Formats: sequence, structure tokens, C-alpha cells
Amino acid sequence: ETGVTQTPRHLVMGMTNKKSLKCEQHLGHNAMYWYKQSAKKPLELMFVYSLEERVENNSVPSRFSPECPNSSHLFLHLHTLQPEDSALYLCASSQEVVRYEQYFGPGTRLTVT
Amino acid sequence: GNSVTQMEGPVTLSEEAFLTINCTYTATGYPSLFWYVQYPGEGLQLLLKATKADDKGSNKGFEATYRKETTSFHLEKGSVQVSDSAVYFCALIDGNKLVFGAGTILRVKS
Repeated sequence: ETGVTQTPRHLVMGMTNKKSLKCEQHLGHNAMYWYKQSAKKPLELMFVYSLEERVENNSVPSRFSPECPNSSHLFLHLHTLQPEDSALYLCASSQEVVRYEQYFGPGTRLTVT
Repeated sequence: GNSVTQMEGPVTLSEEAFLTINCTYTATGYPSLFWYVQYPGEGLQLLLKATKADDKGSNKGFEATYRKETTSFHLEKGSVQVSDSAVYFCALIDGNKLVFGAGTILRVKS
């Protein structure tokens, strides 16, 4: 299933670097999401976008900056990250925000050194 | 807010064994319930869903029934395969987001 794609699949960055994660959905959905998956912790919702507008921001540090230029694309801009930010970052989309199941991309494995 | 509790893993089974992964929820009303599966090195995939009480979701031999009297949505499969080894997440809709359980690791030995 290539409905939701993410690039890069793996990223290693230093704490002073700036990088971006990209997500693209080919499903015609209106809502997109960023999640963080860390070892031994529940999946954490970071951001929710509906029709390019942010509708949820779960107290995420400002070193993570999302961008949704259109309903098919979602970015997560990263700068001055910490080692504890190393995790799998998952993007998802759904038809609408409420009540609809979400479809996930394969994730970007981020390592901060 | 709404929440989901899953049984802790890992669950280790032999091939062709019967599988049950318990999931209970706390919710206002009757939210849609889901099981997602994450295979090694991949993102989450929707496995099955149920949108109202007494609904049974099923896919790939897996089943789960939405039971409001016990607030449960247990995942079952009659005969597991090695290829079913993965992490399984129970989830529910809460407003504009999915709330996930902690996940249960399933390991199936041949």
C-alpha cells in the first residue's frame, strides 16, 4: 500500500542541524497527522491538520514546526533537536478529522546525535 | 478523556495456536473502535474496526466484537501464523484524534 509515503525513511542529524520530514498522501483525504513513536511509550499525537489548518497541537516543543501547504502534503521541520527526540515519526491521513480511520505511512526513523 | 488499556506483552505462541489480545476502553458514549497492526520496520496498518455496539470487525482471520456491557474489544484469531508476528494496537476515536493503547507484541514460533 503506497497511499501514504514518507521521506526520508531514515535520518541521522546532529543537535545543531536543521532538517525536514516529508509526508504525502495519495488518498484524497482532508486530514493529516504527525505522531511520535518512542520505544516503550504509547504513540504520541503531535499535530493534526484539517484542510491545511492546524486543529490540534499537543504541547509539542517549538523545535518541531509543522507545515501543511495543501491537503496532500505535510512537513515536519526540525531544528536544534535533543537526543531524546530520537524516535519513529509517523504520518497519517484520514478522510475527515472526526470518526474516520487513519492510514499511516511507513515512518521516518530519526536519530539525533 | 477516553482511554484504552491493552494487555501487556509480549505474547508468545506456537504456530496454529489460538490468539486473544485483550483490550478494554473507557469512554463517554460509544466511539468507534479499531485494531491496528505494526509489522517490523513498518508503519501502522488498520486491521479491523467496529463503529457501534455489538458490531464485529474482521479481517485476515482476525476478529473483534464491540462489547459495551464489558467495555471491551478483544482481538482473536483461531490459528496464528509466524507472519502474524507484529505489534497490535487497540484504539478509539476521541474527538478529532485516535487514542491508542500501549501496544502488545505478538511473537509466533514455528
